[in-house]
Amino acid sequence: KQEVTQIPAALSVPEGENLVLNCSFTDSAIYNLQWFRQDPGKGLTSLLLIQSSQREQTSGRLNASLDKSSGRSTLYIAASQPGDSATYLCAVTGFQKLVFGTGTRLLVSP
Amino acid sequence: SQTIHQWPATLVQPVGSPLSLECTVEGTSNPNLYWYRQAAGRGLQLLFYSVGIGQISSEVPQNLSASRPQDRQFILSSKKLLLSDSGFYLCAWSSSQGAGKLFFGSGTQLSVL
Repeated sequence: KQEVTQIPAALSVPEGENLVLNCSFTDSAIYNLQWFRQDPGKGLTSLLLIQSSQREQTSGRLNASLDKSSGRSTLYIAASQPGDSATYLCAVTGFQKLVFGTGTRLLVSP
Repeated sequence: SQTIHQWPATLVQPVGSPLSLECTVEGTSNPNLYWYRQAAGRGLQLLFYSVGIGQISSEVPQNLSASRPQDRQFILSSKKLLLSDSGFYLCAWSSSQGAGKLFFGSGTQLSVL
């Protein structure tokens, strides 16, 4: 059974810092890995999707990497802003369904 | 473009009452559809998924059921709500063509009192 873990559970940083969120999964037989953002009381917004054959994806200040063999992914956020404050979730796709981590709650203070 | 609609946004129901949450997708055909629940302080738990009309797979035994009466309509139901059914319910869809992105609705906050 796939298990997804995210560390840290919560992170508080001052504006402008570069930061890394970690995601690990137990079963390397995945199709892809996605990073999502969730604002309080809202649905999830997909940020980046990395196919199992890829090593990384970039979108603006976000960069996500995937090391399938070791069961790890990182989300790098450059020059963090208060608007980045949210919960970030990673999810791995097995056959037709995703398994989510419990998320990292990020607070970026001005 | 594709859009997903989920309603209601919030719902307060007494224990023992029925439940019906609806989700519809526009702008795509034959999507894979999902119901997730997010309990306070916990991760997202997959409840049901569907790859076609009338085809429902349940991930966990529970007090809830799902139905897909039309290609782009997914309904989550209960005959009698329990306190433990409280949570944030999210509908999502993905393309049936390969393992692609998952797109979420805005969620329903259900409080069972």
